[in-house]
Order: sequence, then C-alpha cells, then structure tokens
Amino acid sequence: KNEVEQSPQNLTAQEGEFITINCSYSVGISALHWLQQHPGGGIVSLFMLSSGKKKHGRLIATINIQEKHSSLHITASHPRDSAVYICAVDGSAGGTSYGKLTFGQGTILTVHP
Amino acid sequence: EAGVAQSPRYKIIEKRQSVAFWCNPISGHATLYWYQQILGQGPKLLIQFQNNGVVDDSQLPKDRFSAERLKGVDSTLKIQPAKLEDSAVYLCASSLIGLAGEQFFGPGTRLTVL
Repeated sequence: KNEVEQSPQNLTAQEGEFITINCSYSVGISALHWLQQHPGGGIVSLFMLSSGKKKHGRLIATINIQEKHSSLHITASHPRDSAVYICAVDGSAGGTSYGKLTFGQGTILTVHP
Repeated sequence: EAGVAQSPRYKIIEKRQSVAFWCNPISGHATLYWYQQILGQGPKLLIQFQNNGVVDDSQLPKDRFSAERLKGVDSTLKIQPAKLEDSAVYLCASSLIGLAGEQFFGPGTRLTVL
C-alpha cells in the first residue's frame, strides 16, 4: 500500500461543476502539499497546509490530521483547470521535518467546455 | 524573482550512454532536490542537498546515478550508463529551508533512453 493515495485517478467534469479530489496518507506529517502539473510543464505549488483550511481564488484545500485525509476542491471549474493534481506529504520524524516529500500518483482532471 | 532553471529541457540518448542534467535553484535557497517522475506516476525523490551537503540519497541508484552541488548553488545530476527504465522527467526543486518549506519546481528535463 502506498503511503499517499489519491482518488479518483481520473476525473472528467463539465465547465462550472464543483470538483473534489481526495488524498489519504498513512504516515505522520508536518505538512501536506497540493501541486498542479500541466502537460509538458513544471509543477506549481497550490497549497501547503498543516491544519484546517486554505482558500485561494476558486481553490479550497482542507486537511483533517486525525483522519489523515485532505481534499482539494475547485469551485466553478473551467477548462484551464485541466491538469494533473498531486498530493504530497512532508514526513515528520520526532517532530522534525526534513522537507522530504512523498507524492501521490496524481489525479488527471479534464474539464470540458 | 527568477524561478528554478533546468537544462536541457529534452534529451534523447541510447542505452549505455551517459547524460548530465543541470539545475540552478532560486537565489538564496539552501535546499535543493532532484526528483524522477516516470510517466503516469508521482515524482520520486532521488537526492536532497542542504547547501552542498547530502541530506538524503536513499533512493538514488548509486551504481549509475551521481549528483553534486558544488559551492551550495548549482547542481548536476548524472546517469552513467543509462538504461531504458531511466526514461522519465527529472525535476529539480528548491526551498528556502528544508524544514516543511514550500518547494519551487523547475520545468524539468524529459529524458528518453532508446
């Protein structure tokens, strides 16, 4: 079993739909990252969070530390949101993180006009 | 502020050949990471530097892969000799601090081994 599991692996939506991508992890963490990767492009950091909820524009990220679960929501989705969304956890050892990320396999999102 | 720079962007080689990738992190970032991303998978950490010292290279195939970060700034990753299964995107990232800091990624180098 992978340390970081994302679901779904593929997601297709119509423009305007509300989208949720889930991430579950099995190790202790100091932070969780949501990243976006466009085809042929590099990776862009969307959120880094260790508790609660963060919002940036139409994107919302939440994390439940007790349940070891995080969600990324996209409101009013748009075709330009089409990309791979990757969850990554920053592991902790005795409360000290070394910045080493363990990545999920990614969720391929396609938003149709 | 300039981002993380990588070169080349694309490289095609034959198996058993050698290849080297270069990364220039964001100025002032002490921590530098090299990741390997195979098609359809998430990135996998190969090596992490803190300044010019290695913090973690547990997943680096040391029989063929090597990396250095001279003077704690630029870094090079080398594969010698390359195998077919090394075909992947090699990503470089940097962060201001290694401790739970945001990482900034370069555009990656897409390697194809024939």
